[in-house]
Amino acid sequence: QKEVEQNSGPLSVPEGAIASLNCTYSDRGSQSFFWYRQYSGKSPELIMSIYSNGDKEDGRFTAQLNKASQYVSLLIRDSQPSDSATYLCALHQGAQKLVFGQGTRLTINP
Amino acid sequence: DAGVIQSPRHEVTEMGQEVTLRCKPISGHDYLFWYRQTMMRGLELLIYFNNNVPIDDSGMPEDRFSAKMPNASFSTLKIQPSEPRDSAVYFCASSLVGAATNEKLFFGSGTQLSVL
Repeated sequence: QKEVEQNSGPLSVPEGAIASLNCTYSDRGSQSFFWYRQYSGKSPELIMSIYSNGDKEDGRFTAQLNKASQYVSLLIRDSQPSDSATYLCALHQGAQKLVFGQGTRLTINP
Repeated sequence: DAGVIQSPRHEVTEMGQEVTLRCKPISGHDYLFWYRQTMMRGLELLIYFNNNVPIDDSGMPEDRFSAKMPNASFSTLKIQPSEPRDSAVYFCASSLVGAATNEKLFFGSGTQLSVL
């Protein structure tokens, strides 16, 4: 089993709808979780971090963490074409080592 | 700040040649990370440094790969000899406190390496 698993997509969502991205992980000891966004041909950039069970909201983005079920998700409300990108789930494994999933490619259709 | 600076942006070389990738982290950042990204394997951590000292190189795929950080403002990743399966985008990233804390990684623009 991979350490971090994501559905590679592509995930296609109409503009204005909610995009839901999911990630599961294998290490129960993981404490810190991150969502990075990567536009085609660009480098990853951090959009959300979450450390406690429950929801964390930042503008149109909501990160959800369930440590018992070992999953973390990202919801994007009122999706815009500019949200079209690959979304990478990441967690820290040991001291300072950030492990990434394969990423989910999201396309927002106007 | 100019951000993390990587060079070259693109590198095309022939199998067997030596390749050197360069990185200048953000001034004041004490952690530096080298990642490799491919379609098949995604984004993989190769090695990271703290205060110029290599901390974890368990992700370095083979002895053909080596990395150095001679000072706080410069790091290199060298592949010798290069092979076609080394073709990937290589990212350098830096952070102030480390990836495990609330401090985010700042990525460079990456080097697209093609080994023919």
